[in-house]
Amino acid sequence: AQRVTQPEKLLSVFKGAPVELKCNYSYSGSPELFWYVQYSRQRLQLLLRHISRESIKGFTADLNKGETSFHLKKPFAQEEDSAMYYCAPSYFGNEKLTFGTGTRLTIIP
Amino acid sequence: DGGITQSPKYLFRKEGQNVTLSCEQNLNHDAMYWYRQDPGQGLRLIYYSQIVNDFQKGDIAEGYSVSREKKESFPLTVTSAQKNPTAFYLCASSPGQGYYEQYFGPGTRLTVT
Repeated sequence: AQRVTQPEKLLSVFKGAPVELKCNYSYSGSPELFWYVQYSRQRLQLLLRHISRESIKGFTADLNKGETSFHLKKPFAQEEDSAMYYCAPSYFGNEKLTFGTGTRLTIIP
Repeated sequence: DGGITQSPKYLFRKEGQNVTLSCEQNLNHDAMYWYRQDPGQGLRLIYYSQIVNDFQKGDIAEGYSVSREKKESFPLTVTSAQKNPTAFYLCASSPGQGYYEQYFGPGTRLTVT
């Protein structure tokens, strides 16, 4: 069965410190991988997808096929980064996403 | 935010009653999805539809039903058979045809007492 693990339910980081939100997936093949974010009182929205290799709001995520991980990173946390973050893989040819349980990130001023 | 709407924002029902949650999109997207969001459990897929008049069960379809008679609409009925219906329900849509980004509605919080 497809499984996505986000081991940290809660993560608190001081402003200006580096952030890493962990995501591990248990698929074979080559999944498409996404990070979604939900800010307070806003809709769930796409933050980034690995295939585009973009940096969005200073966040990047590297796919490590050997470790089946897709950790989200930012070198210097900002207060506006406080939100709920979900990792979500999908297989090519199957548009379903499987969401992790999410990590609530709190940036301490 | 427009594009995908859910109504109502809050819904209260008595146990034993069926209730239908609305989801509409004007993005001309082929695919639509229903998720349930519970604290500590992330989003779990209830049903999805990749094209009009077709839909598939997700991971937790028991106690729910859907229809997809129009491209822009994908209502979800929570039946009395659903054992724990109180939850936050999210609808999403995506262009389909291999494009995976999903766009989410604002959600409906259903409370059943």
